[in-house]
Amino acid sequence: IQLTQSPSFLSASVGDRVTITCRASQDIRFYLAWYQKKPGKPPKPLIYAASTLQSGVPSRFSGSGSGTEFTLTISSLQPEDFATYYCQQVNSDHLTFGPGTKVDIK
Amino acid sequence: QLVESGGGLVQPGRSLRLSCVAAGFTFDDYAMHWVREAPGKGLEWVSGISWNSGSTGYADSVKGRFTISRDNTKNSLYLQMDSLRLEDMALYYCAKDRGTTVTTSWGFDFWGQGTVVTVSS
Repeated sequence: IQLTQSPSFLSASVGDRVTITCRASQDIRFYLAWYQKKPGKPPKPLIYAASTLQSGVPSRFSGSGSGTEFTLTISSLQPEDFATYYCQQVNSDHLTFGPGTKVDIK
Repeated sequence: QLVESGGGLVQPGRSLRLSCVAAGFTFDDYAMHWVREAPGKGLEWVSGISWNSGSTGYADSVKGRFTISRDNTKNSLYLQMDSLRLEDMALYYCAKDRGTTVTTSWGFDFWGQGTVVTVSS
């Protein structure tokens, strides 16, 4: 199962609403997770089962979608949110990550 | 807490064994995985193993060369890497699944800091 993410790069300002899309090559129902990755740090889990917020993650992060199209939304971008975001499908025994979306400061 | 070890410099074609020791949760309740990040690249799932070692999964890029295993008595996860290639050079993370098997994964909720594997002649 292949995942694509769009955009691959986005430039945004603090306070902006940001939406990242992840598309799967086949139906993965709701078996999708999102991670935040910063340089020199391990990935931080954000969302699982497409829309369930990981404990401790701020409520400005939300996930939606099912089947083949999913979105990660940050309702009001904060300085600590500038990072690369990855989706991951967990619907098969060959788990795969998307190519990532880098969120940079405008 | 997940702590990886075993990385280092190795020549192409040689072998290396990575280890990951877990603490702070009931290790044998969960599936475990290895994920890697090559320099300048994204995340790549490498392999996963169910709670009781009953099932495993591998990325096509490593199938037949890497072997995942675990020892629940030692709270430890392993990755035996044989016939290493230049493209295997990466930071290797150990990650805990929310579920019990690779085919019923709910994604990963804890990650180690990683261990670096360098493949060079």
